[in-house]
Amino acid sequence: EIVLTQSPGTLSLSPGERATLSCRASQSVTSGYLNWFQQRPGQAPRLLIYSASKRATGTPARFSGSGSGTDFTLTISRLEPEDFALYFCQQYDTSRTFGQGTKVEIK
Amino acid sequence: QITLKESGPTLVKPTQTLTLTCTFSGFSLSSSGVGVGWIRQPPGKALEWLALIYWNDDKRYSPSLKNRLTITKDTSENQVVLTLANMDPLDTATYYCAHRRGLLEFDHWGQGTLVTVSS
Repeated sequence: EIVLTQSPGTLSLSPGERATLSCRASQSVTSGYLNWFQQRPGQAPRLLIYSASKRATGTPARFSGSGSGTDFTLTISRLEPEDFALYFCQQYDTSRTFGQGTKVEIK
Repeated sequence: QITLKESGPTLVKPTQTLTLTCTFSGFSLSSSGVGVGWIRQPPGKALEWLALIYWNDDKRYSPSLKNRLTITKDTSENQVVLTLANMDPLDTATYYCAHRRGLLEFDHWGQGTLVTVSS
């Protein structure tokens, strides 16, 4: 099973700042099949990025995904108030697994 | 417009079998490349993938729960059913179903349904 480790666990930033979230896989996600989801309190997850770097329909351009192999990154260029939420990565290369999440909170 | 909605019991007793239904609209589970998956989230914890069924009836299960899970589809009724046997309090979670198509994995989700396991 591919284990995904997200870091940091919590990211404390101010609106307008840049957020960089990491997702590291225990073995290579060779296909690049890696998603990023956003989850706000009391809501279902929302797909932001698929195949590591493709924005899903409706994802603002301030969100970008990058990476390959075992290291993947979600970047939010300038945080908006609605971006303070929980973020999960998920791989669908070998079976499916989720990371434990990164909480982006207001500093 | 794609929508999905989970339904089932909110409370089950330990050792019972949980049966959840995902009723969807806006797509067909007989279309090539389409699938419906189940994911759960214990309160305050991470997401956990459970199972996935494809348009061609191919089924995939979480290795850690494979022996307890069954996923089926009723294409004519636009429903996917998940059963989880031998429920335990650790299975208390919000259960979600989600749509996938081609490279787009879990691009639409249901609202989720909270299932509590308690005697």
